[in-house]
Amino acid sequence: ILNVEQSPQSLHVQEGDSTNFTCSFPSSNFYALHWYRWETAKSPEALFVMTLNGDEKKKGRISATLNTKEGYSYLYIKGSQPEDSATYLCAFNNNNDMRFGAGTRLTVKP
Amino acid sequence: DVKVTQSSRYLVKRTGEKVFLECVQDMDHENMFWYRQDPGLGLRLIYFSYDVKMKEKGDIPEGYSVSREKKERFSLILESASTNQTSMYLCASTNGVHQPQHFGDGTRLSIL
Repeated sequence: ILNVEQSPQSLHVQEGDSTNFTCSFPSSNFYALHWYRWETAKSPEALFVMTLNGDEKKKGRISATLNTKEGYSYLYIKGSQPEDSATYLCAFNNNNDMRFGAGTRLTVKP
Repeated sequence: DVKVTQSSRYLVKRTGEKVFLECVQDMDHENMFWYRQDPGLGLRLIYFSYDVKMKEKGDIPEGYSVSREKKERFSLILESASTNQTSMYLCASTNGVHQPQHFGDGTRLSIL
């Protein structure tokens, strides 16, 4: 079973704070790293697909970086807003499979 | 937009019942997946399918089976439901194993 770890498990921040969390994955047989955002009562939605070491992706206030050699990705949220409250999932692709981490549950307090 | 539809949002069944969870996607995707999500454990893969009539076990297949008779439909079957199968079940599809997955809204299943 592929081991994909996310930390922290949960995070509470104030509106306006910037925050980041981590996804760790096996560094061998890397193909892609995915980030998803999962709001309560909705289905997970894809944020980013990252394939190259050193990749940086950005969508509005959310950005992500990738280090395939050491096996980690960071997700950053700048100036958090209450609508950013969600569970953020990462998923690791090797040549054959995709496996999800347990997610980081972010709560942004107004 | 891809639409993945799960037949029920909420379902309550009794121990020992045979339970069917249905999933339909409308984008002609080859690959379909069933996950369960439990607090602190994230999405765990139960079964997946890369083609009609094809199925592969995921990480936690025990107590489940699947059926893929048509490309657009992937059914998860609990042969004899047990209380430890109370969970949120998510179906997903994709047009390539390395592409982002498109998820249904989930079925929250309670086994009493």
